Amino acid sequence: DSGVTQTPKHLITATGQRVTLRCSPRSGDLSVYWYQQSLDQGLQFLIQYYNGEERAKGNILERFSAQQFPDLHSELNLSSLELGDSALYFCASSVDPGAKTQYFGPGTRLLVL
Amino acid sequence: GNSVTQMEGPVTLSEEAFLTINCTYTATGYPSLFWYVQYPGEGLQLLLKATKADDKGSNKGFEATYRKETTSFHLEKGSVQVSDSAVYFCALISWGDDKLIFGTGTRLQVFP
Repeated sequence: DSGVTQTPKHLITATGQRVTLRCSPRSGDLSVYWYQQSLDQGLQFLIQYYNGEERAKGNILERFSAQQFPDLHSELNLSSLELGDSALYFCASSVDPGAKTQYFGPGTRLLVL
Repeated sequence: GNSVTQMEGPVTLSEEAFLTINCTYTATGYPSLFWYVQYPGEGLQLLLKATKADDKGSNKGFEATYRKETTSFHLEKGSVQVSDSAVYFCALISWGDDKLIFGTGTRLQVFP
């Protein structure tokens, strides 16, 4: 158990819908990262937050957004869902951006029908 | 750009066989290197890491040495077990960056 929690574990929804994925980092970690794992794209970095502020953006679609709250939990919002958004979404956390070691949650498996 | 290249899988071995999974990288500066493992139906677990040239990361019998001259970080284990069956990901974090860049993953299947 890494100490990073993600909910829900599974999510099934329809095209055009909007979902919210939630992540709680390890106790004491200030930095949160979101990654997407799909069959065609592999594991890709989406976005990073540090202490409530956006720090880096990767290959994140405009339909996707995220935020980190004062209690340091983070949410990833996916809207206007398409079939191709079906993937495993991971959250990871680290003490700070320079820590160079990220601990991953169990992931949320999203299926868009 | 920065990237990681791993050997294609699946790698199929008998229990107690020697394991090597090749990983090479392209990066500017001095990246930190990692191996993560994903067991069936689970998330990613950090297996080992190395942050500078010639460092050796080790954990649970697995080892990898950061070779700057060959830009490699090959994963090895002397005697695999059935419980080692999983997907192994090589990854890097570039100098001055925070995000992990992953290879495509290598599936290891160990049979009794």
